[in-house]
Amino acid sequence: GAGVSQSPSNKVTEKGKDVELRCDPISGHTALYWYRQSLGQGLEFLIYFQGNSAPDKSGLPSDRFSAERTGGSVSTLTIQRTQQEDSAVYLCASSLIYSGVETQYFGPGTRLLVL
Amino acid sequence: AQSVSQHNHHVILSEAASLELGCNYSYGGTVNLFWYVQYPGQHLQLLLKYFSGDPLVKGIKGFEAEFIKSKFSFNLRKPSVQWSDTAEYFCAVKKAAGNKLTFGGGTRVLVKP
Repeated sequence: GAGVSQSPSNKVTEKGKDVELRCDPISGHTALYWYRQSLGQGLEFLIYFQGNSAPDKSGLPSDRFSAERTGGSVSTLTIQRTQQEDSAVYLCASSLIYSGVETQYFGPGTRLLVL
Repeated sequence: AQSVSQHNHHVILSEAASLELGCNYSYGGTVNLFWYVQYPGQHLQLLLKYFSGDPLVKGIKGFEAEFIKSKFSFNLRKPSVQWSDTAEYFCAVKKAAGNKLTFGGGTRVLVKP
């Protein structure tokens, strides 16, 4: 079946602009995660959505970052007033908990470059 | 906070050589353990995972990993690598009662033909 998809695959923006990154999870997966992969910091957790519960935002690096998940499916990660240090690959993952076992499946990522 | 360490940042080996990548984590409670692989130009893919039971788990493409609880380790192994195993390998840990994955820094493996 279809995997996690993300768009755009690449985004170049100017410092100070806002960007929106989109994630389409695997159909039926109730949990959705955003991670960031950067040269200096490796792979870092950003935010987690599970069903209708309040999201876990503990990994968001600043209040310029926000995310929403509409209708329990598609998610959008928004970065306001982008900075050069925001340049990274933003990864989305989705999962389904089955018999207490949860495995996260990752999308191809959005490569963000802030000039 | 939990942390995950992958001791080797880069590994270079020849085809048919054996591979072992180390992974240690710091959390003392019950954990779920994963190895992901990222081939050049591709996205993260799950190699194998451990939740409970037999501490020796087998994954795709001939990889296996052994969970040693006393050593807080989950090392990845492959007896005979191929050129196509050139990739970056990430160990990840999740608290059994938690959600987010904590990743190690990754190990870049280059297999020379």
